[in-house]
Amino acid sequence: EVQLVESGGGLVKPGGSLRLSCAASGISFSHAWMSWVRQAPGKGLEWVGRIKSNTDGGTADYAAPVKGRFTISRDDSKNTLYLQINSLKTEDTALYYCTTPYSGYDYGFNYWGQGTLVTVSS
Amino acid sequence: SYELTQPLSVSVALGQTARITCGGNNIGSKKVHWYQQKPGQAPVLVIYRDSNRPSGIPERFSGSNSGNTATLIISRAQAGDEADYHCQVWDSTTKYVFGTGTKVTVL
Repeated sequence: EVQLVESGGGLVKPGGSLRLSCAASGISFSHAWMSWVRQAPGKGLEWVGRIKSNTDGGTADYAAPVKGRFTISRDDSKNTLYLQINSLKTEDTALYYCTTPYSGYDYGFNYWGQGTLVTVSS
Repeated sequence: SYELTQPLSVSVALGQTARITCGGNNIGSKKVHWYQQKPGQAPVLVIYRDSNRPSGIPERFSGSNSGNTATLIISRAQAGDEADYHCQVWDSTTKYVFGTGTKVTVL
C-alpha cells in the first residue's frame, strides 16, 4: 500500500519559516518525481513545485508565486521529501499536499498524502 | 502563463449525466487529468490523459478533449459522486496547472 504522510505544518507569523516533510512508503521513492500542491481554505488546487528523481538530475521547479521563497529537497535514504518555506505571507495559508505522478510526469498525480496545514497569521 | 477555466458549479439529477468542462487555449493539444475531491479528503485521480480510468474508478466516469475544451462526463450520477472536480494539465512553461474547480451537486 502506498502511503505519503506529511508533517511539519503549524501556525507561523508573517515573515517566518517552516519545513514540511513527506514520508513515503510503498513506492520506489528514489525513482519518483515528487510535487507539492497546496489548497487555500475554500479554494482550488495550486501546484507549488516539484523535484525530479536524482537519476533524472534531481532538479526542482517552482510556481511563480513561491519562486525564491520555497525550496524542495529530498533524502532518498529516508524516503522523505521536504519543502522549506521562508518569508511566509498570509496568502501562503493552505493545506499542503505531497503527491507524485508516479506513472510518468504527464500521467496525472496518482498518489496523494492527506496534507499538512500551514497557517500564517500575526 | 497557461490557465484553465471551469464552471463554479454543476447540478445533475440522480441517475442522469453530468458534464464538467475545462477550458484552455488549445487544450486539445495537451493531456488532461481529472481529480475528484470530497470534503476533508485528498484529491483522487479519476481520469488521466484525457480519457483513461485508473483501476478502481467506475466506468461511469469518462473524458474527452478537443479544441479549447476538455470534458469530464459522469454517467448515471449517484449521491456519492457529489464532490469538487479539478482538471489539470502539464504545460512546458508553467509546468503543472490546475483548473479553478467545479462543485458537483446531485439532486
